[in-house]
Amino acid sequence: ETGVTQTPRHLVMGMTNKKSLKCEQHLGHNAMYWYKQSAKKPLELMFVYNFKEQTENNSVPSRFSPECPNSSHLFLHLHTLQPEDSALYLCASSPRRAGRGNTIYFGEGSWLTVV
Amino acid sequence: AQSVTQLGSHVSVSEGALVLLRCNYSSSVPPYLFWYVQYPNQGLQLLLKYTSAATLVKGINGFEAEFKKSETSFHLTKPSAHMSDAAEYFCAVSENDYKLSFGAGTTVTVRA
Repeated sequence: ETGVTQTPRHLVMGMTNKKSLKCEQHLGHNAMYWYKQSAKKPLELMFVYNFKEQTENNSVPSRFSPECPNSSHLFLHLHTLQPEDSALYLCASSPRRAGRGNTIYFGEGSWLTVV
Repeated sequence: AQSVTQLGSHVSVSEGALVLLRCNYSSSVPPYLFWYVQYPNQGLQLLLKYTSAATLVKGINGFEAEFKKSETSFHLTKPSAHMSDAAEYFCAVSENDYKLSFGAGTTVTVRA
């Protein structure tokens, strides 16, 4: 059981669809993240939110739109995706104490298939 | 900038044998280093982390890692592999108070 819950676990969508991935953390953390994990590629950090404010966007295409309404919830809105966007999308959270060494806690991921 | 390199994308060991996963880092500041494990169809779980205290770090499930500054390494070991250790393992270095840079991962298979 993880303190970071992602839904849905599996999603199949067409290229013209609009869907959303949801993440909720029960750990009292103030930083939340979206990562993309593709086959045979290192984990890619997509977005970082700290106290609901976006602090990092790693040149992610605009067809991915994050939303962080509060420190416990994070969404990833998806529209007009491409087949190459098929991947495992991991949500994570961490405390945001000053100094390095904060542990990042991951959810179980949402498997996305774009057809 | 900080980065890690994991040597070997795939390691196969016999049950009961030593598990050794190699990680070398590059960092312009004293590094904070992590090992994560990902079991099939799951997210990443922290195994252990080094934050400049003891150089030999013990983690969960019998794993440990030793920080060697002279070799810029943080290799992960377990004396005796179990079938349940079959997973993908990621080494990571902390770039700042919120960002980790991950290696490409090493897949471990355990032979009966």
